[in-house]
Amino acid sequence: QKEVEQDPGPLSVPEGAIVSLNCTYSNSAFQYFMWYRQYSRKGPELLMYTYSSGNKEDGRFTAQVDKSSKYISLFIRDSQPSDSATYLCAMRGGMDSSYKLIFGSGTRLLVRP
Amino acid sequence: DSGVTQTPKHLITATGQRVTLRCSPRSGDLSVYWYQQSLDQGLQFLIQYYNGEERAKGNILERFSAQQFPDLHSELNLSSLELGDSALYFCASSVDGRATETQYFGPGTRLLVL
Repeated sequence: QKEVEQDPGPLSVPEGAIVSLNCTYSNSAFQYFMWYRQYSRKGPELLMYTYSSGNKEDGRFTAQVDKSSKYISLFIRDSQPSDSATYLCAMRGGMDSSYKLIFGSGTRLLVRP
Repeated sequence: DSGVTQTPKHLITATGQRVTLRCSPRSGDLSVYWYQQSLDQGLQFLIQYYNGEERAKGNILERFSAQQFPDLHSELNLSSLELGDSALYFCASSVDGRATETQYFGPGTRLLVL
C-alpha cells in the first residue's frame, strides 16, 4: 500500500464547476501538506501549503486537512479551462524527520469550456 | 518561471550508457533536491543536498549519484542505464532545506533510454 493515495482521474468538469480533489494517507507523522499543480511538460508549482489540520483559502482555492481521517482535499471554485492540469498532493513529517516530500500520483483535471 | 534551471531539456541515450543532468537552483537557495517522475511510480524523491553536503536520501539507486558544487549547482549522474530509467527528472531548490520550506521545481529533464 502506498503512503499517499490519490485518484488518477481524469476528472472532466464544465467551466464554472466546483472541483474537489482528494488524497488519503497512512502515515500519522505527516504534518505538512501541500498541493502542487503540474501543467503538461512542466515542473510542479506549489498552489497551497497547510500545516496540521484545518482549512486554508487562497482566491478560488481552498485546502482542507483532516488529520483524524488522514484525508486532505483541494477545492477549486469557478473552475476555468486554464485550471486543466495534473494536481499532486504532497506531504512530509515534522521538523525533526526526513525532509523528503511524499507525493500522490496526481489527478488529471480537464475543465471544458 | 520558478528560477530553477535544468539542462538538458531532453536526452536520448542507449542502455548501459551514462548521463549527467545539471541543475542550477534559484538565486540564494542553498538546498537542492532531485526527483524522478515516471508513469508507474509517480514523483519520487531521490536525494537532497544542502550547501554541498548530502542531507537526505530517498529511493535513489546505487547506479545513480549526485553532488552539489561550491557554486551550488548540482549534477545527477545516472550510469549503466536501463530502459526503466526513462522518466522525467526534476530538480527543486529551497532556501535552507528546512522541512517547512517551499520547494521550487525546475522544468525537468526528459530522459529516454532506448
